[in-house]
Order: sequence, then C-alpha cells, then structure tokens
Amino acid sequence: EDQVTQSPEALRLQEGESSSLNCSYTVSGLRGLFWYRQDPGKGPEFLFTLYSAGEEKEKERLKATLTKKESFLHITAPKPEDSATYLCAITGGAQKLVFGQGTRLTINP
Amino acid sequence: GAGVSQSPSNKVTEKGKDVELRCDPISGHTALYWYRQSLGQGLEFLIYFQGNSAPDKSGLPSDRFSAERTGGSVSTLTIQRTQQEDSAVYLCASSPPGSGQETQYFGPGTRLLVL
Repeated sequence: EDQVTQSPEALRLQEGESSSLNCSYTVSGLRGLFWYRQDPGKGPEFLFTLYSAGEEKEKERLKATLTKKESFLHITAPKPEDSATYLCAITGGAQKLVFGQGTRLTINP
Repeated sequence: GAGVSQSPSNKVTEKGKDVELRCDPISGHTALYWYRQSLGQGLEFLIYFQGNSAPDKSGLPSDRFSAERTGGSVSTLTIQRTQQEDSAVYLCASSPPGSGQETQYFGPGTRLLVL
C-alpha cells in the first residue's frame, strides 16, 4: 500500500531561520511526488511536482528535492507569510493522490 | 484563467438529510477528483473521473456516498442520510489530459457540518 509520512508534525521558526521539512514515502512505481501549501480555510495550493530521484525544483524561498525514498522541502530565510501547512502527496499505480498528514509551519517575526 | 470552483462553500445539515456538493473543474481538464479532509486527518481520496471511462470509486466510504459527472465537466457528490462522522471539508481537484502524472489543482472546498 502506498504511504506518505511527513515530519515534523509542526515546526516553529524565527523569521530568517532556514530549515527543511521531510516527506518519506513507500510506493510501487512512483509516478509523481507533489508539494502543496494549505492556508487555514482554503484548498491546497500547488507548489511543485517531482518525477525522478535527483530532481530539484525552486520557487522563491522554497526548494524541493527528491530521492528514491524521500523528499525535502527546504525553506531559506523564511518570512511570516510562509506560515502554512505543507502537504506532500504521491501518485503510484493509481491516479489518486496519497497524502501525508502535513507539517504545520509557523514563522515568527 | 478561472480555477476549480465549488459550491456551496459551507453547508450545515441535520443528521439523516441528503446533501449535494458541486464542483466545476478548470476548463479543458479531463480528470476530476473528490477528496475528504477531516479534522486532524489527512486528505482522503474518494472518487476519480477520467473522460468517458468508468469512475474509480474505490475511496467511497459507504454506499451513502455517490458522485456523477455530467457532460465531462461539472460533478456532483451526493451524501445520503448524512451522519455526524460525515462532517469534513470536501475538496475537488482537476487535472489536464496526459499520461497520468499530471498535477491536480484543488478548489476551495465545501465545509460540511452534520448536526
């Protein structure tokens, strides 16, 4: 069964303090790994898609990387507006997304 | 262009009543998905439509749940005889045609509360 585990569950950082969020997965045949951002009361907002080990994608202060077992979302010099829940999801043999529980990120000014 | 839209944004109903939730996907997107997000839990897959193919209903939690997609566009998720445990945010997503690795784009969700 496809599974996604995210850690930590919650993370508090000071503004400017860089860190990384982890997404570990098990799947028989990864078709894609996806990172989403979700703000309270809103639907998930797409950030990145990664397809193969070694791939990296960047957007502003965020950088996503992928290995055969896990993905990292690196946050460099975060700002308070980066506070959100970050969701990791995979697709394997089926088209449906399998989500992790998310990491709730809080950036204090 | 316009994103995925869902209606209503909030729905309060009484236990035992039926509810219908609507999803308008992004124009041109052939795949449509329904997910459920319960408090303290992750997003849970419910059902998937792709073009004219038979839908993948493997995530529907009981036979009280059903969904249809008319004309390959708008979809309606129906919950019959609602129970309190059905309270959750119901999210719809759509993705463009392709090889199956396409990114899914989500709507804002419908927040359902069953009293």
